[in-house]
Parts: sequence; C-alpha cells; structure tokens
Amino acid sequence: SQQGEEDPQALSIQEGENATMNCSYKTSINNLQWYRQNSGRGLVHLILIRSNEREKHSGRLRVTLDTSKKSSSLLITASRAADTASYFCATDIGSQGNLIFGKGTKLSVKP
Amino acid sequence: DGGITQSPKYLFRKEGQNVTLSCEQNLNHDAMYWYRQDPGQGLRLIYYSQIVNDFQKGDIAEGYSVSREKKESFPLTVTSAQKNPTAFYLCASSIQTSGDTQYFGPGTRLTVL
Repeated sequence: SQQGEEDPQALSIQEGENATMNCSYKTSINNLQWYRQNSGRGLVHLILIRSNEREKHSGRLRVTLDTSKKSSSLLITASRAADTASYFCATDIGSQGNLIFGKGTKLSVKP
Repeated sequence: DGGITQSPKYLFRKEGQNVTLSCEQNLNHDAMYWYRQDPGQGLRLIYYSQIVNDFQKGDIAEGYSVSREKKESFPLTVTSAQKNPTAFYLCASSIQTSGDTQYFGPGTRLTVL
C-alpha cells in the first residue's frame, strides 16, 4: 500500500481560482515534500515542511502539515494556466533516508 | 550551469537487448537515485547510491543494474531480464540520503519494440 496518497487524483479549475491538493500518509515522517511535474519532464521541488512545522509559504504556495491526522495539503492561490501539471507529495520516513512518492494529483487550469 | 542531465531523451530497444541510460550531475551531490514512472503512476525507486562505489537496491531492482565509479555519474542498465521495461526513467541527486530535497533530470523514455 502507498505511504503517501494524493487526493484528488485529478482537479480541473479556472484560471484565478485556488487549487487545493491533499496528501495522506501512514507512518511517522521526518519531513514531507511537494514536487511538480510538467508532462514528460522531470520533477521540480516546490517546498519541504518538517514534522515540527505546521505551515509554510512560498510565493503563491501554502503547505500545511497535520501530523496527528498524518496529512498535508498544498494550496495554490490565484492559479494560472502555467500551473497545469502533476503534483506529488513525498515523505521522508527516515528509513535509509529515501523519499516515498505518491501517485500525484493532475491539475488542469483552464484559461 | 549546475544541474543533472540524462541521455538520451528517447531510447528504443529490441527485446533481448541490454541498454544503458546515462545520468550525470555537477552539483557535487553524494547521493543519486534512479526511479521508474509508469503512466498515471508515482515514482518507484530502482536503485540508489549514497557514495561512490556503493549502491543499494530499491523497491524494483530486478532486471536492472547500476554502477557508481565516479561521484558525477550513475548509469542505469536495463537488462533483458526486465520483463516490462517500457517506461519513463528519472534520475535524481541530493546532497545526502537523509530526506534531502532531490533534484531531477529531464528523464529518458524507453520503449521496447
């Protein structure tokens, strides 16, 4: 079973709207990271939140972490067509230091 | 420019052939990784290396082999033992394997004919 699972699997919104994606995980983590992948390209790191942090911001991105619920959310405010991509959460559970990636949320922002 | 490169971008292989995917980084990172991504799926770890001359199997290592003779290079060989090799292959690196941010290459799409 997946350590991290994103929800929803796909999300379609209009430009200017906010987009919220969620990630749930099963075991305790050291940190949780969000990555973005444009179609057919490599992943790009967006933000890292540590287990002792509750919220982080980076530009139009806001990430929250609730360790009691084992969940995280990524909010993209005032979305743009260029935000169209797949978004993955990755958890560091400390075992050999490797990240475990979810299956991603496919975001489509219509102009 | 600092970064991580993969070549080729597209690769076609006949059944029964071994092929090698290249991954190079000039970020001075100790750790390097190979992932496989199938359509609509997340990333699955094939192999990773924490330091030169050392590497460990990931979740789906069967049918793959790697080497780490230089810090900058981590080539992946897809052998004929890999039954379903058609996929998108991503290489990444990080400062260490301690849950650090990973930096990804642009990927290689392998198709078996």
